[in-house]
Amino acid sequence: DIQMTQSPSTLSAYVGDRVNITCRASQSITTHLAWYQQKLGKAPKLLIFSASYLENGVPSRISGSGSGTEFTLTISSLQPDDFATYYCQQYDSFAWTFGQGTRVEIK
Amino acid sequence: QVQLQESGPGLVKPSQTLSLTCTVSGASIRSGGHYWTWIRQFPEKGLEWIGYLYYSGRNFYNPSLESRPSISVDTSKNQFSLTLSSVTAADTAVYYCARSKTGAGIFDFWGQGALVTVSS
Repeated sequence: DIQMTQSPSTLSAYVGDRVNITCRASQSITTHLAWYQQKLGKAPKLLIFSASYLENGVPSRISGSGSGTEFTLTISSLQPDDFATYYCQQYDSFAWTFGQGTRVEIK
Repeated sequence: QVQLQESGPGLVKPSQTLSLTCTVSGASIRSGGHYWTWIRQFPEKGLEWIGYLYYSGRNFYNPSLESRPSISVDTSKNQFSLTLSSVTAADTAVYYCARSKTGAGIFDFWGQGALVTVSS
């Protein structure tokens, strides 16, 4: 299986901060990467697919970049609604796998 | 709007079979080339893809689960179901059903999740 490693595991930030979350794959997945946001007690919500394509309805302050083995999720100006846990997921090859998550907390 | 809803027992005894059903509304399982998928989330929050049903083709399962999972469909009710045999405490998790975008493992619609505890 392809291993997905996110960093950091926890991130503390202020409202208005720019934040970056990194996801590394154990082998190349081209751009077959998605990002999800999960709030407590809820299902994950799709934010980004194909590494950089914004899902309908997701605010433009959220963006994704990268290819191959290294990817970044960026929130340009953190809003109260963004405090959550974020997961990356590869769908390049079976078994589809997720990163361990990055929790974004209020500082 | 596509909606998915999991249902099934919340408690299963060790060595028995876990069974969950996902009821889909707003889309037909028979059309669109989507992968109708089961994913689980462990208490420590890790996510694991279990497998999918592809109506136009074959199902596919996570090899790490060996031959324990099986996904079936009831098109008359627009439902798909997961069975997981020989469960242990390590199978305790929140189980989600989800739909993928056409032809890709990108999950755009999810159920709200069903907690299944394996305990005697």
